[in-house]
Amino acid sequence: EDKVVQSPLSLVVHEGDTVTLNCSYEVTNFRSLLWYKQEKKAPTFLFMLTSSGIEKKSGRLSSILDKKELSSILNITATQTGDSAIYLCAVNSGGSNYKLTFGKGTLLTVNP
Amino acid sequence: NAGVTQTPKFQVLKTGQSMTLQCAQDMNHNSMYWYRQDPGMGLRLIYYSASEGTTDKGEVPNGYNVSRLNKREFSLRLESAAPSQTSVYFCASSEIRSGQGRNEKLFFGSGTQLSVL
Repeated sequence: EDKVVQSPLSLVVHEGDTVTLNCSYEVTNFRSLLWYKQEKKAPTFLFMLTSSGIEKKSGRLSSILDKKELSSILNITATQTGDSAIYLCAVNSGGSNYKLTFGKGTLLTVNP
Repeated sequence: NAGVTQTPKFQVLKTGQSMTLQCAQDMNHNSMYWYRQDPGMGLRLIYYSASEGTTDKGEVPNGYNVSRLNKREFSLRLESAAPSQTSVYFCASSEIRSGQGRNEKLFFGSGTQLSVL
């Protein structure tokens, strides 16, 4: 059974801090790892990492895939209150249909 | 461009009642999905439809049925609701390209908050 584990489950920081969120996975046939941000409602896409694209960056957010360690990190620098959200990690384990296995998420709270 | 639209946004049912959650996407995506999200459990796949005319069970299909009515619409039905089905339900879609490329990126609807009393 495919498994995706995120840590920590929750995190409280102050504005301006840098945070690192972790995601580890055990899947039968890794294809890609995705990060999503979920505020009030629907998750929104942040990054997709594959064997051919192991590092992505967008503004203050960046993510790295470590295929040897079967893990990924999501870094957020100079955090803002608007970064408060649940961050979801998901892994695509391939097969004939493309299904994602999600982790339980990390709840990030950024206090002013 | 609406993306993925779910209805209703909120619903309260009594145990044993039935209902259908509707989902439609206007992005011409091939694949559609139904997830449920419970506190501390993350997103769990109920059913998915890789293409029009096909449906398959996900991780937690018991108590649910689905219909891929056409390429745009994918509905989720609870035949006899139970309190354990109290959850937030998300519909999602993605474009799976055959051949050289693929795109696993999911686009989510805004969710349905369902309470079963």
